Amino acid sequence: AQSVTQLDSQVPVFEEAPVELRCNYSSSVSVYLFWYVQYPNQGLQLLLKYLSGSTLVESINGFEAEFNKSQTSFHLRKPSVHISDTAEYFCAVARRGSNYKLTFGKGTLLTVNP
Amino acid sequence: DTGVSQDPRHKITKRGQNVTFRCDPISEHNRLYWYRQTLGQGPEFLTYFQNEAQLEKSRLLSDRFSAERPKGSFSTLEIQRTEQGDSAMYLCASSPPSTANTEAFFGQGTRLTVV
Repeated sequence: AQSVTQLDSQVPVFEEAPVELRCNYSSSVSVYLFWYVQYPNQGLQLLLKYLSGSTLVESINGFEAEFNKSQTSFHLRKPSVHISDTAEYFCAVARRGSNYKLTFGKGTLLTVNP
Repeated sequence: DTGVSQDPRHKITKRGQNVTFRCDPISEHNRLYWYRQTLGQGPEFLTYFQNEAQLEKSRLLSDRFSAERPKGSFSTLEIQRTEQGDSAMYLCASSPPSTANTEAFFGQGTRLTVV
């Protein structure tokens, strides 16, 4: 079985500040890693994913995450946040070669203040 | 609209009543998932379909829950004899046949309130 721990339930930051949302996972098998974002009253949207290859993955809106196998982490970072980044962010894993069933963390609410 | 569609968006029901939710996946997506999300938690897997076959069920899916996907297209999730603990957001997701870059696309969910 897999599990995901998001260490911070809430992260308040000021606009244009850098941010890191932490994610650690536990699994006895190889996994795929994902970050999903949920804006208020909306469904989950995929932000970025790590399947294989380069351990640093980027999204189109400036977020990046790095897969660290030794530390079993997949932290999400952005060098300068905008108010529009305010949302709940979920880290998730899926067992490699599986049916892509996702195991989610509890989420981190990112609040960007002016 | 080519996204995953869920109906209804909101449902308020009295304890003990039965409810049914519908999910229409993205066309050509043969994989369909149901998740449940309670307040302050991440989504939890309920069940998975590949085409019309229900291939996996979570232990969260008690005997009061049943899901179907006739003909491998839309899916329904029924909850019988609802309890207050069933109050949650029910999310549906779909994904295409397995490829190197498969991802799950989520609907906006059905929020169930049991009073």
